[in-house]
Amino acid sequence: DAGVTQSPTHLIKTRGQQVTLRCSPKSGHDTVSWYQQALGQGPQFIFQYYEEEERQRGNFPDRFSGHQFPNYSSELNVNALLLGDSALYLCASSFTGTGYGYTFGSGTRLTVV
Amino acid sequence: TQLLEQSPQFLSIQEGENLTVYCNSSSVFSSLQWYRQEPGEGPVLLVTVVTGGEVKKLKRLTFQFGDARKDSSLHITAAQPGDTGLYLCAGRANPGGSQGNLIFGKGTKLSVKP
Repeated sequence: DAGVTQSPTHLIKTRGQQVTLRCSPKSGHDTVSWYQQALGQGPQFIFQYYEEEERQRGNFPDRFSGHQFPNYSSELNVNALLLGDSALYLCASSFTGTGYGYTFGSGTRLTVV
Repeated sequence: TQLLEQSPQFLSIQEGENLTVYCNSSSVFSSLQWYRQEPGEGPVLLVTVVTGGEVKKLKRLTFQFGDARKDSSLHITAAQPGDTGLYLCAGRANPGGSQGNLIFGKGTKLSVKP
């Protein structure tokens, strides 16, 4: 049973560019959440998608946007990249209505130069 | 803004020693989770505690949720090198299972030397 799959695993971008990160949730999960984890910090909530809509959003600027597809997979888009966007981006999936735990992917390491 | 403070930030101990990691907040959480994260990987859920005063054991790991649901602790008995990693506590403000975001602490980086 595949867990959460994220792609790519590593990415290097230049300031001002745009990036798209992808996430396939664990089989049976319908909710996808995105987190940003800077070096030496805990993950910070970006937003959560359920039924193809953004259900909740953290304190991130509009440069961060997302999408959820009918098959529950999700994308995170970041526009006008800043050096401070360099971080590990984690996708977590869950099934709404049961349980409390997320299953996290291994993340995408984004470096902005 | 709800915050979770973890202490200590770093912990380096010898194999066989015991240790306790703390997670504190001024806010009440409906549930609290502990995760372990290894370099280059995502966090892996260890336990969820929901009821104030709840104690859960997972082999050599003991988790406790404070009576007021504002704090939690993780105690490891006879630590082993395989316990090395970043331990994160995460609280959920809203009840209702997986709905709603998790608020993470900064983590405790544990190193267990053979």
